[in-house]
Amino acid sequence: DAKTTQPTSMDCAEGRAANLPCNHSTISGNEYVYWYRQIHSQGPQYIIHGLKNNETNEMASLIITEDRKSSTLILPHATLRDTAVYYCIVRVAAQGAQKLVFGQGTRLTINP
Amino acid sequence: GAVVSQHPSRVICKSGTSVKIECRSLDFQATTMFWYRQFPKQSLMLMATSNEGSKATYEQGVEKDKFLINHASLTLSTLTVTSAHPEDSSFYICSAITGTGAGKLFFGSGTQLSVL
Repeated sequence: DAKTTQPTSMDCAEGRAANLPCNHSTISGNEYVYWYRQIHSQGPQYIIHGLKNNETNEMASLIITEDRKSSTLILPHATLRDTAVYYCIVRVAAQGAQKLVFGQGTRLTINP
Repeated sequence: GAVVSQHPSRVICKSGTSVKIECRSLDFQATTMFWYRQFPKQSLMLMATSNEGSKATYEQGVEKDKFLINHASLTLSTLTVTSAHPEDSSFYICSAITGTGAGKLFFGSGTQLSVL
C-alpha cells in the first residue's frame, strides 16, 4: 500500500505557482520523498526528491516539513504543459529492492 | 537524465498468443528493474522486481507463470505475457534505478497491450 495521501485533483491558472501537498505521516527516518508526474499515456517523469532539506531544481521545488510528515511540490510558473497526474511517493526498501509504490496521485489541471 | 527505452510502444495481439516487451537502460547499468501495469484512469501497480542474473520477485497476486520476466544483462529486462487474454489488456511500464540508496527511478514510455 502507498504511504502517502494527496488531493485527488487541483486546478491552477497558467503562470501562477502550483502548490501540490502530500501527507506521509508514517515516513521512516531513512525514507526519501519522491515526486513524479505522468502525462497521459506516457511513462512517469522524475521531478525531484528529498530527505529532510528543501530541494530545488530546474523543474520544481520541494518543501519538506521539519517533522517530515508532509511535503509540498511547487511548480513556480505553471504552464499548460504541466497538466498531468502528480505522484508523491515514499521510497520503500524491502528485500534489498528499492521499489516505488504509487498512490492515486493528484490530477493537476493548468487553466489558460 | 538517464534514458530507459521500452519497446514496442503498442501491440495488438490475438487471444492465446504471447507478447514480449523489452526494457533497456541506454546509458547506465541497471541491476534492478521494475515492471508496472496501469489500467485506464488508475495508478501504476507494481507487478514485479527484476534482478539481473536472478529470479524476479513478484508482488502478491501477480502470476509468475503468466508474466515471465527475464533480466539477462545489466541493460535489458523483458516481460513476456504468456497466453494473453483480453483481461491482460493494459498499459505496461518498466523502470530502472540508477545508483543505490537514493538513486532515481527512470521510466520507459510504456507499452499499450490490446488483446483481441
